[in-house]
Amino acid sequence: KQEVTQIPAALSVPEGENLVLNCSFTDSAIYNLQWFRQDPGKGLTSLLLIQSSQREQTSGRLNASLDKSSGRSTLYIAASQPGDSATYLCAVSGGADGLTFGKGTHLIIQP
Amino acid sequence: SQTIHQWPATLVQPVGSPLSLECTVEGTSNPNLYWYRQAAGRGLQLLFYSVGIGQISSEVPQNLSASRPQDRQFILSSKKLLLSDSGFYLCAWSSSTGGWWSNQPQHFGDGTRLSIL
Repeated sequence: KQEVTQIPAALSVPEGENLVLNCSFTDSAIYNLQWFRQDPGKGLTSLLLIQSSQREQTSGRLNASLDKSSGRSTLYIAASQPGDSATYLCAVSGGADGLTFGKGTHLIIQP
Repeated sequence: SQTIHQWPATLVQPVGSPLSLECTVEGTSNPNLYWYRQAAGRGLQLLFYSVGIGQISSEVPQNLSASRPQDRQFILSSKKLLLSDSGFYLCAWSSSTGGWWSNQPQHFGDGTRLSIL
């Protein structure tokens, strides 16, 4: 059974810093990996999706990488801003059984 | 553009009462539809998914059921709620282009926070 782990569980950094969020998964037979953002009490906003054949995806200040063979992904946030404060979720798709999520990294950017 | 709607946003129900949560998608046809639950201190868990009208697959044994009476409508129900049914329920959709396991992103609604008293 697929398991997804996110480290750290919580992170607090000053504004302007670059930071890395980590995600690992136990079964490398995935179709894709998706990073989401969740604001308190809200639904999920999709940030980036990496296909299993891809190594990375970029959107603005966000860059996500995927090393399928080692079961790892990272989300890099450049020049962090207070508006980036949220919980970031990593999820992998094994196909017909939908997405398997990690528990998330709670990120606080201090002004 | 495609949009997904969930209601109600918040619900407080007594133990043993019935439940009906509704989700609708606009701007697309034949979407794959999903119900997830996010319980306190736990990650998001897939409850049900559907690839078409009347087709429901359940991921975990539970007190809940799902139905898809129309192409873009997905309903989560219970006949008698338990305390353990409390949580944040999220509906999601993805495009069915390329097949069920197509590499399409999932898009989520704003969720329903369900509290059982």
